Amino acid sequence: NAGVTQTPKFQVLKTGQSMTLQCAQDMNHEYMSWYRQDPGMGLRLIHYSVGAGITDQGEVPNGYNVSRSTTEDFPLRLLSAAPSQTSVYFCASSYSSGRDGDNEQFFGPGTRLTVL
Amino acid sequence: LAKTTQPISMDSYEGQEVNITCSHNNIATNDYITWYQQFPSQGPRFIIQGYKTKVTNEVASLFIPADRKSSTLSLPRVSLSDTAVYYCLVGDIRNYGQNFVFGPGTRLSVLP
Repeated sequence: NAGVTQTPKFQVLKTGQSMTLQCAQDMNHEYMSWYRQDPGMGLRLIHYSVGAGITDQGEVPNGYNVSRSTTEDFPLRLLSAAPSQTSVYFCASSYSSGRDGDNEQFFGPGTRLTVL
Repeated sequence: LAKTTQPISMDSYEGQEVNITCSHNNIATNDYITWYQQFPSQGPRFIIQGYKTKVTNEVASLFIPADRKSSTLSLPRVSLSDTAVYYCLVGDIRNYGQNFVFGPGTRLSVLP
């Protein structure tokens, strides 16, 4: 299994440009999520999905869109990039067995985005 | 959402046991406690999860007192490779969006 993969690894955008960060997982996980991490900070949840066709907002959703047409893919779209969106973006997936100690999130390697 | 408080940083020496305590005074009945580890330029990695008392796996132990208002991650005999940021999360694992609120974490430095 490749686990959680993210592309691209690095991206530089100009203010106002749009782009899509790709995320895919091959573990048949129901749940997927997007986080951003700013320097010296913890991760903040942007959007998440509990299954194909179902998405919801996290803590910091403004400026981002998501869709979940398949179990495997969960792309994150930046509609009009702003310098405040300069960050490292992590995608994660998990399943929920409902058992104590068995609700692990698997994270991708991250995408480092700079908006000029 | 239950707010968590952890020390910002800790230092230790190789071979020592390290205990990182997390405070979560307003933890709810359905909330679980989960710890993640993050190395520079990588995504977080799951360490351990528990609800009450003690949980142990091959890399760590998690101690949770009866009132559940705090928890302690114990790393036995740390090595240089354990230098990382450790995050304590509290949330209802059945409520996916609520479960994953990361604070600033504890930066552990293991010295030779």
